[in-house]
Amino acid sequence: AQSVSQHNHHVILSEAASLELGCNYSYGGTVNLFWYVQYPGQHLQLLLKYFSGDPLVKGIKGFEAEFIKSKFSFNLRKPSVQWSDTAEYFCAVIRLVTDKLIFGTGTRLQVFP
Amino acid sequence: NAGVTQTPKFRILKIGQSMTLQCTQDMNHNYMYWYRQDPGMGLKLIYYSVGAGITDKGEVPNGYNVSRSTTEDFPLRLELAAPSQTSVYFCASSSRQGPYGYTFGSGTRLTVV
Repeated sequence: AQSVSQHNHHVILSEAASLELGCNYSYGGTVNLFWYVQYPGQHLQLLLKYFSGDPLVKGIKGFEAEFIKSKFSFNLRKPSVQWSDTAEYFCAVIRLVTDKLIFGTGTRLQVFP
Repeated sequence: NAGVTQTPKFRILKIGQSMTLQCTQDMNHNYMYWYRQDPGMGLKLIYYSVGAGITDKGEVPNGYNVSRSTTEDFPLRLELAAPSQTSVYFCASSSRQGPYGYTFGSGTRLTVV
């Protein structure tokens, strides 16, 4: 089945540790890719997005993601996490032929001081 | 600049009751969406609309209905509430023009008892 997979369901890190959250999708054709963040009790906010061009995308708050087409992946990274990065992170994909945003199941990140 | 506004923020329903979740956007976006968010499941698309008068089913439409009489409004109707509909509901909108990106509302937390 066509889907968006986030293999890390719950990640626990100490402050200053490096972060990488995996995202894989199974759609063929042209896609647009997104990472959203949801802080506790809040709605989703866009972290970064990829449409075309440079596969390394930089977003807000020091996050970046790399699109690797051959691996159908769009992993999220941050060199040094902060306690304030504690949140749930969602990868999402739009297939241009459908115009529907499909989400992964999310990764809960907890950062301890 | 309100963006996407959802009401109510919280609601408790008894089994069998009905209610309408309201969603309004002021960005003149053609595309609007309803998602439900359940723990560990990510966001699932319930219904979406590509313009006034046009709606279509998403991944999990059963038990819900929508209408889109204007560009601004996209209400979600629950006719016979069931415990399985306990969830957090998010409305979103997007513009077909320019880069894709969804704007989300702040969510409605619904509990069916």
